[in-house]
Amino acid sequence: EAGVVQSPRYKIIEKKQPVAFWCNPISGHNTLYWYRQNLGQGPELLIRYENEEAVDDSQLPKDRFSAERLKGVDSTLKIQPAELGDSAVYLCASSLETSAIYNEQFFGPGTRLTVL
Amino acid sequence: QKEVEQDPGPLSVPEGAIVSLNCTYSNSAFQYFMWYRQYSRKGPELLMYTYSSGNKEDGRFTAQVDKSSKYISLFIRDSQPSDSATYLCAMSRNQGGKLIFGQGTELSVKP
Repeated sequence: EAGVVQSPRYKIIEKKQPVAFWCNPISGHNTLYWYRQNLGQGPELLIRYENEEAVDDSQLPKDRFSAERLKGVDSTLKIQPAELGDSAVYLCASSLETSAIYNEQFFGPGTRLTVL
Repeated sequence: QKEVEQDPGPLSVPEGAIVSLNCTYSNSAFQYFMWYRQYSRKGPELLMYTYSSGNKEDGRFTAQVDKSSKYISLFIRDSQPSDSATYLCAMSRNQGGKLIFGQGTELSVKP
């Protein structure tokens, strides 16, 4: 079974340019997460979707970041305009809601963004 | 002060050593405690999770949670070079909620 797919894997842009990241979760997973991981740090949640609905976007810098998950499957995270401080790895994760004690979040390989 | 504190290391041990990794936290509402392993240029992968307090063992790995001290640990027995990675602790208040990660500890196991 394919894992979480993300593209592109690497992106280099100049500041003030727009950039978009794409994520395809594991088939059937209803919950999708976007995390940002700065160098030498743990991931931090940006936004969480349950199906099409964004249920936690409190950490998303809404002045420049936007996300969508049309049809409750794949998702796009956009930054416009990018700033130097946005350089990081953007991780997508997905999970399936079950009756188990814990529903594991499966992470993709991430998109490494460098803003020059 | 961060909600979850983790010594970033780096930690270097010889093959076969016992490794101890630790995290402390401040939010008593955390109920789920996880350890993730992250290889270079890869996403984190779940190693173990514990719900509430107690110990959990899986092969060479043992996770411990002490909620009274707000302290969690991961022990790796008979460490192998393939264990070389960054280990991240993570916690959440509820099922499916956002994970709060520690900084990660970089581990190197030398042959």
